[in-house]
Amino acid sequence: NAGVMQNPRHLVRRRGQEARLRCSPMKGHSHVYWYRQLPEEGLKFMVYLQKENIIDESGMPKERFSAEFPKEGPSILRIQQVVRGDSAAYFCASSPPRDRDEQYFGPGTRLTVT
Amino acid sequence: KQEVTQIPAALSVPEGENLVLNCSFTDSAIYNLQWFRQDPGKGLTSLLLIQSSQREQTSGRLNASLDKSSGRSTLYIAASQPGDSATYLCAVSGTGNQFYFGTGTSLTVIP
Repeated sequence: NAGVMQNPRHLVRRRGQEARLRCSPMKGHSHVYWYRQLPEEGLKFMVYLQKENIIDESGMPKERFSAEFPKEGPSILRIQQVVRGDSAAYFCASSPPRDRDEQYFGPGTRLTVT
Repeated sequence: KQEVTQIPAALSVPEGENLVLNCSFTDSAIYNLQWFRQDPGKGLTSLLLIQSSQREQTSGRLNASLDKSSGRSTLYIAASQPGDSATYLCAVSGTGNQFYFGTGTSLTVIP
């Protein structure tokens, strides 16, 4: 059973470009969480999704950020018109349907905005 | 809003020493507390999960305690090894859907 997969592992974008980060949850997991780790800061919750539904997006910046978890395929975190302050490590976690506390984390995507 | 603090931010010890990492949180209404390990360029690995009704959990050389009323947890590592070098993160979960993380303690065990 493969763990949580994230790709790409490293992503470099110029200011103003779009960044797409992908997360494939563990097999059997239908809940996905995205966290952001800014330099010198702790991980901060961004959004919690189930298949085709956004359950909690209280940690998402109001502009330029969006997330989806379609019926088929990975979850996508999309950042439009990236700025230098978006440079961070973005982690995805997944959990089984009945135990949201059992979150398994992926290796992260390190986004660098130049 | 829940705030999680970890002290110290960095720690360097010689191999074989026992050590304690500290975590404090501001809101005692938590469901559980977890300790994670983060290696450079890698994801997070869950080490120990303590439910709010529990006082401690043990796994091998690791022991985590929880004092919910005072908002504190400690992670005790016995007989430290160079392979223990990593960043250790404390996280609490409450009524919402998220974990609240501390900024971590960076541990270096010197051979």
